[in-house]
Amino acid sequence: SQTIHQWPATLVQPVGSPLSLECTVEGTSNPNLYWYRQAAGRGLQLLFYSVGIGQISSEVPQNLSASRPQDRQFILSSKKLLLSDSGFYLCAWSVGTGVGTDTQYFGPGTRLTVL
Amino acid sequence: GQQVMQIPQYQHVQEGEDFTTYCNSSTTLSNIQWYKQRPGGHPVFLIQLVKSGEVKKQKRLTFQFGEAKKNSSLHITATQTTDVGTYFCAGHTGGFKTIFGAGTRLFVKA
Repeated sequence: SQTIHQWPATLVQPVGSPLSLECTVEGTSNPNLYWYRQAAGRGLQLLFYSVGIGQISSEVPQNLSASRPQDRQFILSSKKLLLSDSGFYLCAWSVGTGVGTDTQYFGPGTRLTVL
Repeated sequence: GQQVMQIPQYQHVQEGEDFTTYCNSSTTLSNIQWYKQRPGGHPVFLIQLVKSGEVKKQKRLTFQFGEAKKNSSLHITATQTTDVGTYFCAGHTGGFKTIFGAGTRLFVKA
């Protein structure tokens, strides 16, 4: 069966510090991968998606970046965190050719607090 | 840009009462999905609706997709405390983009 891992589970970082969040998927090949951010009590904002290794599409211009160095690994990074980067970061995967129309399976998330 | 509006934002019900959340899109959707997020947890897929006017049921949950494929609803009959959480709709217009509604947070009082 497929599983998705995210780490760390929680993170407290000072403003201006770098960020690296990792997501890995097991039990499937060539998944579509997504990064979402959820502000407290709010909906899900799509940040990045990827349909293959090295292929990244950005939805919202910001100080975050994403990379996909391996088929089942998706990394979210920042060189300098802002207060507004605080939130719940969710990684998700799907399979199929209709990217975005497929069921998405979410990881457990990382709660990031920027102080 | 494309938006998916979801109402209400919050709903408090007494256990046993019914609950409905509504989702409306500014554009025609190719399909719509519903997810549930328990407090402190991550969204979990519930169901996908594709056809115009489609109705699907999962035990006490009834999902509808409007005839114009611009709106959808989730109705829970006789709520239970296990129904507590936030319910999100997610609309697709084809391609990769998934537009999530802001969610409806359900509180159930025993």
